Amino acid sequence: QVHLVESGGALVKPGGSLTLSCIVSGSSFRDDDMAWIRQPPGKGLEWVSYTTRSGRTIYYSDAVKGRFTISRENAQNALYLQLNNLRPNDTAVYYCARVGEGYGPPFDYWGQGTLVTVSS
Amino acid sequence: SNVLIQPPSVSVAPGQTARITCAGDDLGSKTVHWYQQKPGQAPVLVVYHDTDRPSGIPERFSGSKSGNTATQTITRVEVGDEADYYCQVWDSSNDHWVFGGGTKLTVL
Repeated sequence: QVHLVESGGALVKPGGSLTLSCIVSGSSFRDDDMAWIRQPPGKGLEWVSYTTRSGRTIYYSDAVKGRFTISRENAQNALYLQLNNLRPNDTAVYYCARVGEGYGPPFDYWGQGTLVTVSS
Repeated sequence: SNVLIQPPSVSVAPGQTARITCAGDDLGSKTVHWYQQKPGQAPVLVVYHDTDRPSGIPERFSGSKSGNTATQTITRVEVGDEADYYCQVWDSSNDHWVFGGGTKLTVL
């Protein structure tokens, strides 16, 4: 069974930075494309970023492009999201998820999420 | 950009059938996935690639698509099915993943 555990969420001031981590077990992480999805309190899901298994192809949503950086360390089964220049509307639970197979793939396994709060 | 429209809420009595729709431009050419999210929990994939069901998901959950509207159907609805349901597609025009706004299923 694939298991994902996020960490690193915290209260941070506007303009601040944070790095989120996601440790994956139960799968061959180096063969998995991965993604981050967020959910503001009381609101819906929003895709944030995606990386291929090699890390060579990366995509970002328009809302975070230029401020967030996704990366991975396959030897550590770890996925990261660096959040810079944070804004109050970045406040959300951040989930990491494994990207499934096929054209236009789903997110087939999710972590429990880590809360990022941006407030002065 | 791709926008997926879902009804904010759907109500159904236990034992009845719930249908949750997801409408979007050019949805017929995209593959639709559905997630269930119960309060305080992470989303769970319940239908993928329009009609497929992950292992462990009851047969009561199914998906279909007609034209630019996808539908998730839950038969013999149980109280435990109360949750928010989200549809999702991949937009190949900009390599973005898009979620619908979510539908709150209430079991009366």
